[in-house]
Amino acid sequence: GEDVEQSLFLSVREGDSSVINCTYTDSSSTYLYWYKQEPGAGLQLLTYIFSNMDMKQDQRLTVLLNKKDKHLSLRIADTQTGDSAIYFCAESMRGSQGNLIFGKGTKLSVKP
Amino acid sequence: DTEVTQTPKHLVMGMTNKKSLKCEQHMGHRAMYWYKQKAKKPPELMFVYSYEKLSINESVPSRFSPECPNSSLLNLHLHALQPEDSALYLCASSQDFYGYTFGSGTRLTVV
Repeated sequence: GEDVEQSLFLSVREGDSSVINCTYTDSSSTYLYWYKQEPGAGLQLLTYIFSNMDMKQDQRLTVLLNKKDKHLSLRIADTQTGDSAIYFCAESMRGSQGNLIFGKGTKLSVKP
Repeated sequence: DTEVTQTPKHLVMGMTNKKSLKCEQHMGHRAMYWYKQKAKKPPELMFVYSYEKLSINESVPSRFSPECPNSSLLNLHLHALQPEDSALYLCASSQDFYGYTFGSGTRLTVV
């Protein structure tokens, strides 16, 4: 079956690194995504990684993918108060015609 | 233009009203989607259009009626909704089923 799991909460201090973790169950996943959602807003695509990659870096964001363990992580360096939001991990499968499977979301709180 | 635009941003409607949500993108994406998101929950897929044809309907009640007039526009027609249909309705688009771009959503309240 398809299932994406995330821890629900993470609290960090401003300037520290944040690591948000995600596990998925379907080994046929083709793309894995990280979305950010601020209160009352839509989903902002932060980054995505193709399933044959191990790592992707984009400025303060680093995505690590461990296909063997079906584990995805998002590291935010130098976390700022503006990074406070809910972060959703999502996967799409080959042939799924666009059905994104979302995790429940991790609420990141950044304390000054 | 790299955005998905949704209108209106907020909508309050009665249970006997008929209203429509609109979504527009000019990125040349050939797949467009409607998602429903309840508070503190992840988005749930409702409909997928691929090349202007409905390809997925996730057993959505008929009081929700999608329409894709052309490759840039996606509508969601609402009729006889229930209070439990109150939610954030998100539109998204993608090219070749990856790199989805979401709109800001329409926050719907049914009274």
